[in-house]
Amino acid sequence: AQRVTQPEKLLSVFKGAPVELKCNYSYSGSPELFWYVQYSRQRLQLLLRHISRESIKGFTADLNKGETSFHLKKPFAQEEDSAMYYCALSGTNAGKSTFGDGTTLTVKP
Amino acid sequence: DAGVTQSPTHLIKTRGQQVTLRCSPISGHKSVSWYQQVLGQGPQFIFQYYEKEERGRGNFPDRFSARQFPNYSSELNVNALLLGDSALYLCATQESPGETQYFGPGTRLLVL
Repeated sequence: AQRVTQPEKLLSVFKGAPVELKCNYSYSGSPELFWYVQYSRQRLQLLLRHISRESIKGFTADLNKGETSFHLKKPFAQEEDSAMYYCALSGTNAGKSTFGDGTTLTVKP
Repeated sequence: DAGVTQSPTHLIKTRGQQVTLRCSPISGHKSVSWYQQVLGQGPQFIFQYYEKEERGRGNFPDRFSARQFPNYSSELNVNALLLGDSALYLCATQESPGETQYFGPGTRLLVL
């Protein structure tokens, strides 16, 4: 069974501070992991996926298969990073996507 | 391209009724997935269709059904509505499975 856990519902940091949004998953095969973001009054959109190994808007995420984690990190948070962040997993057949329940990030000035 | 579009934006139904939600994909996208998002939770996968065939199904009762048309648009049908079906229903489209999903704005369904 696929499962994604985001342990923090809410996360608040000050502008310029580092931020880490946690994501843990369970999946028996080789998963593909994603981070999605939803800014206020906008639709859900892809932020990054682990196979791309990109840094998007200063965010990075490393897949740790040993710890079954895919934490999202940014060294210096900006106010415009305030949003809802969802971690998601897709199985080997690229069909079903499983989402976590999301973390609301607030970056205070 | 306006992106993924969904209709209607809002809908109010009563228990026992039936509802049909619609999704139009981005041009060139042949895969459509449907999700249910209850308040305070993440999207939960309902169906995926690719090239007009069902490719994946989530853990939802048979009251939920969907189809994809030759132009790759899709409908989600829910029969015998329950109060617990009240949610935001999201559609996401892709060029093909495994490619980036693009989400629509959702249809908010309220069952009274």
